[in-house]
Amino acid sequence: DQQVKQNSPSLSVQEGRISILNCDYTNSMFDYFLWYKKYPAEGPTFLISISSIKDKNEDGRFTVFLNKSAKHLSLHIVPSQPGDSAVYFCAASADGGTSYGKLTFGQGTILTVHP
Amino acid sequence: GAVVSQHPSRVICKSGTSVKIECRSLDFQATTMFWYRQFPKQSLMLMATSNEGSKATYEQGVEKDKFLINHASLTLSTLTVASAHPEDSSFYICSATEGAGAYEAFFGQGTRLTVV
Repeated sequence: DQQVKQNSPSLSVQEGRISILNCDYTNSMFDYFLWYKKYPAEGPTFLISISSIKDKNEDGRFTVFLNKSAKHLSLHIVPSQPGDSAVYFCAASADGGTSYGKLTFGQGTILTVHP
Repeated sequence: GAVVSQHPSRVICKSGTSVKIECRSLDFQATTMFWYRQFPKQSLMLMATSNEGSKATYEQGVEKDKFLINHASLTLSTLTVASAHPEDSSFYICSATEGAGAYEAFFGQGTRLTVV
């Protein structure tokens, strides 16, 4: 049962335009969401996160939106740069306690930004 | 962010041998570390939660006798793949959180294990 889903395996965007990566989840116990960027043969790098009590979090070129009622979140990158080309993973965490840091990942979306 | 170092980055071993992978938190203490594996073109799947000073908690379907986890100090967790077989070939990644109540997990560089 895939509790975190990224339905788009890949996304291609022109440099300077906006990249929008989507993520859906099914587990209503998830209360914290994170986006990671990953290159082949490397560990994921943390990008941005959002708590379920918020609907938006912004950090530089990266903005994450959360729609709890739809169980949907998205990552916006604007403007997109060729260096953003990587695999992006959406991840979710349930209530705290022993679950802190325990993440459920989506399948990933390959983002390619063309010059 | 916090730095997590994983070693080795790549290992090739013969079938039947055991392989140890180390995960260290370099600039913080981690009471809890996590071990994931990733098959090609798939997501990261949590294998186990490593708890300092106590037994690891394994996810359903993960063999605790094959994937031995030791978290002997606040900065080091090890994963030993016992009697490795070709089907154990995968990308293994560890992560740790900085401080109690921290959701953001920081990941090591990963270890590519190939069993021949």
